[in-house]
Amino acid sequence: AQSVTQLDSHVSVSEGTPVLLRCNYSSSYSPSLFWYVQHPNKGLQLLLKYTSAATLVKGINGFEAEFKKSETSFHLTKPSAHMSDAAEYFCVVSDQGGFKTIFGAGTRLFVKA
Amino acid sequence: DTGVSQDPRHKITKRGQNVTFRCDPISEHNRLYWYRQTLGQGPEFLTYFQNEAQLEKSRLLSDRFSAERPKGSFSTLEIQRTEQGDSAMYLCASSLYYEQYFGPGTRLTVT
Repeated sequence: AQSVTQLDSHVSVSEGTPVLLRCNYSSSYSPSLFWYVQHPNKGLQLLLKYTSAATLVKGINGFEAEFKKSETSFHLTKPSAHMSDAAEYFCVVSDQGGFKTIFGAGTRLFVKA
Repeated sequence: DTGVSQDPRHKITKRGQNVTFRCDPISEHNRLYWYRQTLGQGPEFLTYFQNEAQLEKSRLLSDRFSAERPKGSFSTLEIQRTEQGDSAMYLCASSLYYEQYFGPGTRLTVT
């Protein structure tokens, strides 16, 4: 069985400061992990993916995430927040075939000027 | 590549009516997924197709829900005898492998 837990429902940062969005997963086999972003009134967009290659994954818009098997975590980070980063972020776990996909509840990121 | 499209974008219906939504995936993608998203929640998996075969259905998909993907191209999701609890955003996604590309969704409001 698979599950994903996003540890914060809301995160607020100031523009120019680092972003950390936390995600823990549970899977009985080697999972594929993803982060998606959803801006208001826009579709879900893939930020980055981990599929058993390098554990540090770089994505679009300066985001990156590190797969830590020992901690069952896949936290999303960005060195410096921009106002345009304000959105809802979803951590996603998928089975090895990429079929059954489970989304976390989401973390809303607020960026203050 | 025109992306995943969904039609209609918005649907308002009265309780008890039937509704049908359409999803057109990215043309070379053989996998197609349906999700439901309610306010403040992440998308919940409903069903999945590989080509025209429906390979998995969530327990969320009651008998009132049916999905098809004739000829492995576009897909339709039908909800019969709609209930107020069906009000949600219905999302479609397609993929070749792991990366799913999402459409803009169909927002259903049941009054």
